[in-house]
Amino acid sequence: ELKVEQNPLFLSMQEGKNYTIYCNYSTTSDRLYWYRQDPGKSLESLFVLLSNGAVKQEGRLMASLDTKARLSTLHITAAVHDLSATYFCAVDMEYGNKLVFGAGTILRVKS
Amino acid sequence: DAMVIQNPRYQVTQFGKPVTLSCSQTLNHNVMYWYQQKSSQAPKLLFHYYDKDFNNEADTPDNFQSRRPNTSFCFLDIRSPGLGDAAMYLCATSPLALGRGQYFGPGTRLTVT
Repeated sequence: ELKVEQNPLFLSMQEGKNYTIYCNYSTTSDRLYWYRQDPGKSLESLFVLLSNGAVKQEGRLMASLDTKARLSTLHITAAVHDLSATYFCAVDMEYGNKLVFGAGTILRVKS
Repeated sequence: DAMVIQNPRYQVTQFGKPVTLSCSQTLNHNVMYWYQQKSSQAPKLLFHYYDKDFNNEADTPDNFQSRRPNTSFCFLDIRSPGLGDAAMYLCATSPLALGRGQYFGPGTRLTVT
């Protein structure tokens, strides 16, 4: 059974600081997704990582995938308040596009 | 713009009174999913359709049913809502091709009184 673990589950950080969210998963996969969710809203796709060594960047967020280590990271650079949200990683099952989600990381950026 | 639409966005129902949530898509995706998401939790997959092929998750209560009359529409029926069914219900779609991820609708917030 595929399991996806995120840590930390809650992250409070100061504006301007850097931090990394980790996503580990238990079985072989080379398809990993990061989503953002604002309170009371739906999930917004951030990154799609489809191969070992994939790196994607958008603004202050950068995501990477190491399929050998079964690890993805979401790195936040110089955090700003607007980044406050819950971030989920999800891994594709081997068939179809069925996703297994991590528990989510609640990010709060304080000024 | 191609999108996933959910109606209503907010639904209040009484304990035990059947309710139907709807989802439509203009993406022409083969796969449609229904998730339940409770506060501070990850989305939990209830079921999904590959075209008309229905796939139920093992732990989805019998109280939850679904219909997909055509490619564009999918419905979630809750036969006898309990207080524990209050949640956000998310519809998502994806194409069959691998690596395309899922596209989520805006969700329906269900309140049970």
